[in-house]
Amino acid sequence: SYVLTQPPSVSVAPGQTARITCGGDTIGRETVHWYQQRPGQAPVLVVYDDGDRPSGIPERFSGSSSGNTATLTISRVEAGDEADYYCQVWDSSSDHPGVFGTGTKVTVL
Amino acid sequence: QVQLVQSGAEVKKPGASVKVSCKASGYTFTSYGISWVRQAPGQGLEWMGWINPYNGNTDYVQNLQGRVTMTADTFSSTAYMELGSLTSDDTAVYYCARTISTILGGWFDSWGQGTLVTVSS
Repeated sequence: SYVLTQPPSVSVAPGQTARITCGGDTIGRETVHWYQQRPGQAPVLVVYDDGDRPSGIPERFSGSSSGNTATLTISRVEAGDEADYYCQVWDSSSDHPGVFGTGTKVTVL
Repeated sequence: QVQLVQSGAEVKKPGASVKVSCKASGYTFTSYGISWVRQAPGQGLEWMGWINPYNGNTDYVQNLQGRVTMTADTFSSTAYMELGSLTSDDTAVYYCARTISTILGGWFDSWGQGTLVTVSS
């Protein structure tokens, strides 16, 4: 089955930029989506189709993809951005298409 | 606005079954899929499968085949996930999520609040 690898943790000072990577063998052929999950809450979609934002998500959140790696970038980080972040792809060739990354804990220093 | 409201927490004994509901509102229920995602304590997200409420087609992850059943009631706009032969490894928060599936891929744009299922003797 598909494996999406993320760094376990990323630390960033307020006002700086956080970058979270998501690696997978065929990620360049799939669109990547990103979710934010604050402690005790349900996940929230923050980026879909590699780089589009749902309504209500700040422009500080952006996504990109190149080769076998996708990246979620959070600019001008705020304390409220402290959360777990998960990437996700839909592998239509698989018998179970929904696949999540391993997750990254973002800590705001 | 789109809302998914799930049923309340459950405590089950090993070997029992649990059925979690997910009531949708704010959109046409049959126009989007519903996926189920679970999260064991302190762990990441695990996609379990999904159902197309329009035609009832389902797709389950291989390691849950035979134990999980997903259904949808179009009259009440409610999706259900039933998991049987429970073990302690099934202790988790279970989420339903509206699923957008396109030719380019699929993602989950709205989520239920989660249902904690605890399996304990």
